[in-house]
Amino acid sequence: AQKVTQAQTEISVVEKEDVTLDCVYETRDTTYYLFWYKQPPSGELVFLIRRNSFDEQNEISGRYSWNFQKSTSSFNFTITASQVVDSAVYFCALSEATNNFNKFYFGSGTKLNVKP
Amino acid sequence: DGGITQSPKYLFRKEGQNVTLSCEQNLNHDAMYWYRQDPGQGLRLIYYSQIVNDFQKGDIAEGYSVSREKKESFPLTVTSAQKNPTAFYLCASRKLAGDYNEQFFGPGTRLTVL
Repeated sequence: AQKVTQAQTEISVVEKEDVTLDCVYETRDTTYYLFWYKQPPSGELVFLIRRNSFDEQNEISGRYSWNFQKSTSSFNFTITASQVVDSAVYFCALSEATNNFNKFYFGSGTKLNVKP
Repeated sequence: DGGITQSPKYLFRKEGQNVTLSCEQNLNHDAMYWYRQDPGQGLRLIYYSQIVNDFQKGDIAEGYSVSREKKESFPLTVTSAQKNPTAFYLCASRKLAGDYNEQFFGPGTRLTVL
């Protein structure tokens, strides 16, 4: 079974729309980290956010916000008022204390297309 | 500026040849990682290293080899035993101390087997 599931393969929105990218994870560890990365067409993965399993506070950074819910094992990412520059592939990832946080389990990614 | 560099950006290889992908970091990070990404797919871990002269296999190590002779460098060799090496290869590094568990990535090397 996949440890990180991003069910949305591709999403298309028009600029200024809000969009939510879903991430569901699976782990037996009580201590773990969740991450979101952005991969623009250039290919390099850009780190967006880290959240540990003991901190369920939602976070907002500009137009970006993240909703972490342990009860549903989800760590969703919302972009408010999307822009063309947000077009990229977004990956959710999980690392666990069991393997000293060395193995990152990546989801298969969600490709976001923001049209002008 | 601190960061991770990978070279070359594009690499072409004939079947049966070994090739080495370079990864260097000046972030003073302890751990380094190699991932493979196929079109439309997520990242799969090839090898990782937490300290100099030590490394562990990831999920898809067959056909690859690595070395970690210096903290800053973690080269990946794609051998002729790797049956389908055409892919995008990403190197990453991570600081082991403190609460900073994210991995930082280099720009990647796109390998094509002709």
